[in-house]
Amino acid sequence: GNSVTQMEGPVTLSEEAFLTINCTYTATGYPSLFWYVQYPGEGLQLLLKATKADDKGSNKGFEATYRKETTSFHLEKGSVQVSDSAVYFCALRDSNYQLIWGAGTKLIIKP
Amino acid sequence: DVKVTQSSRYLVKRTGEKVFLECVQDMDHENMFWYRQDPGLGLRLIYFSYDVKMKEKGDIPEGYSVSREKKERFSLILESASTNQTSMYLCASSTVGKSAETQYFGPGTRLLVL
Repeated sequence: GNSVTQMEGPVTLSEEAFLTINCTYTATGYPSLFWYVQYPGEGLQLLLKATKADDKGSNKGFEATYRKETTSFHLEKGSVQVSDSAVYFCALRDSNYQLIWGAGTKLIIKP
Repeated sequence: DVKVTQSSRYLVKRTGEKVFLECVQDMDHENMFWYRQDPGLGLRLIYFSYDVKMKEKGDIPEGYSVSREKKERFSLILESASTNQTSMYLCASSTVGKSAETQYFGPGTRLLVL
């Protein structure tokens, strides 16, 4: 079946460091891929998405590229801020328009 | 902006109690979802609904039921709460078709069952 695997957290970085959170998936066909973010005390919100191979989603300085050959959708940011501290979820959309979720990665940014 | 609200942010109940969690969305979305979020397990779908009075089981429906009498409101019911239902409960909504990919979430209800 479809599944999403993302790196375990927490990931702890200093401000202005480079961020990568790995996400790989298993799916039939070509699912749409997503990153959602959950800031402390808030609901999840869509951060970015990509709907086909080689698409790059971007938002708020974050980027992720849909890599069909490696079945990956890694999240990157060049220079993180304390305000980026949150839990990040990778997800894919299955053929029934349901979202399949990764376990989430907690990101802690220290000043 | 889409707004999804949940009736309580924190709830403490005793084993065996009947628990109601309410969710309301204001964007006329057809789809509504209930998830539970547990550390290391991500989000797991409990139930979803495509329309009023319609419901479908998700991955972990045991011990839960739902009600959707009005389009904007989706209720999750724990018929007899147990300690293993202590969790964060998230409600979400979306439109239909391809736009259904984007789900809009409420802030969550953290439930503690003693």
